[in-house]
Amino acid sequence: AQSVAQPEDQVNVAEGNPLTVKCTYSVSGNPYLFWYVQYPNRGLQFLLKYITGDNLVKGSYGFEAEFNKSQTSFHLKKPSALVSDSALYFCAVRASNSGNTPLVFGKGTRLSVIA
Amino acid sequence: DSGVTQTPKHLITATGQRVTLRCSPRSGDLSVYWYQQSLDQGLQFLIQYYNGEERAKGNILERFSAQQFPDLHSELNLSSLELGDSALYFCASSSIAGGTDTQYFGPGTRLTVL
Repeated sequence: AQSVAQPEDQVNVAEGNPLTVKCTYSVSGNPYLFWYVQYPNRGLQFLLKYITGDNLVKGSYGFEAEFNKSQTSFHLKKPSALVSDSALYFCAVRASNSGNTPLVFGKGTRLSVIA
Repeated sequence: DSGVTQTPKHLITATGQRVTLRCSPRSGDLSVYWYQQSLDQGLQFLIQYYNGEERAKGNILERFSAQQFPDLHSELNLSSLELGDSALYFCASSSIAGGTDTQYFGPGTRLTVL
């Protein structure tokens, strides 16, 4: 079975500081990993994904994520947070050998960037 | 704008009623997914269609059903509605049925059951 854990319900960071939103996963085999962001009253927007290759993935809006196979993690990072980054962030996983199974989403982490 | 459209944006109805939510995928996408988002349950996968065929089923109640039409739009039917069905319902689409493919989400339909 596939699963994703986002251990923090809420992350607070000051504007201009680096931010990290944590995600750990569990799959049998290699994972495909995704990050999405949801702004208030909006649908989820795709940020980035890891399929294979370089462990550091760069995505939209200056976000990046680092795949760590030994720690089964895929933390989302940004060097300098903006107030406009305040939103709900979801990590998702699918096992590479799972065929057509849908993505499994974490429960989400609410990021609050304080001016 | 993801290219996925959903109608209506808001829906208010009474318990026991039936509603239909509509989703049009991005141009060229064959796969459609339905999700329910509520405060206490997070984002729950309901059902997936690929090119008109049901491909995967998640935590979908028997009172709920869906279909994907030949023009690839999809409808989610919710019947015998209960207060607990109040939630945001999202549709997502992707070009294929899984693998490395990215799902793109619509803006959602907010259902309120009174």
